[in-house]
Amino acid sequence: RKEVEQDPGPFNVPEGATVAFNCTYSNSASQSFFWYRQDCRKEPKLLMSVYSSGNEDGRFTAQLNRASQYISLLIRDSKLSDSATYLCVVNIARAGGGNKLTFGTGTQLKVEL
Amino acid sequence: NAGVTQTPKFQVLKTGQSMTLQCAQDMNHEYMSWYRQDPGMGLRLIHYSVGAGITDQGEVPNGYNVSRSTTEDFPLRLLSAAPSQTSVYFCASSAGPGFGQETQYFGPGTRLLVL
Repeated sequence: RKEVEQDPGPFNVPEGATVAFNCTYSNSASQSFFWYRQDCRKEPKLLMSVYSSGNEDGRFTAQLNRASQYISLLIRDSKLSDSATYLCVVNIARAGGGNKLTFGTGTQLKVEL
Repeated sequence: NAGVTQTPKFQVLKTGQSMTLQCAQDMNHEYMSWYRQDPGMGLRLIHYSVGAGITDQGEVPNGYNVSRSTTEDFPLRLLSAAPSQTSVYFCASSAGPGFGQETQYFGPGTRLLVL
């Protein structure tokens, strides 16, 4: 089983729709979780951090379910500009200090007119 | 602030050639990392550094060397390029190990093709 698993998509949704992605992780010792956004041929950029049960920022909501070991990202009122690949990232503290970040392969979202 | 910068943006190498990918950050971050990104795979950690003079191996270190002589710079050296090293390389920095410090700031990437 992969450490971090995501449905690659693509998710094709009309503008204004609500869309949700799930990400599952295998290591129960994972401490913090992140969603990054990556535009085509660009670098990943942080979208949201999740340290407890969830986080909300405008149209974006992230939820963490530790019992089932998954994180979700909900995007409401989708915009054309939301079209991108969304990377799920899981963090485990290293024994000698620092963080071990494991990246999912990403879920591609295409928002259409 | 320029953030994280990488050079070159693109590079074509022949098998067996060596080269250095440059990375610099101006945010005074302690932690720096090199990742490679290949189709169908998540970003994979090559090497990382928790401070000047300290480096360690990541998930896929073979064929690469790093050094960290200053806080700002973290070059990645390909010793003898192989076609399997064709990839997009991202350098990233973060403030430290604590909660809220793990956010990775990525450079724009270097696209490498090894023939």
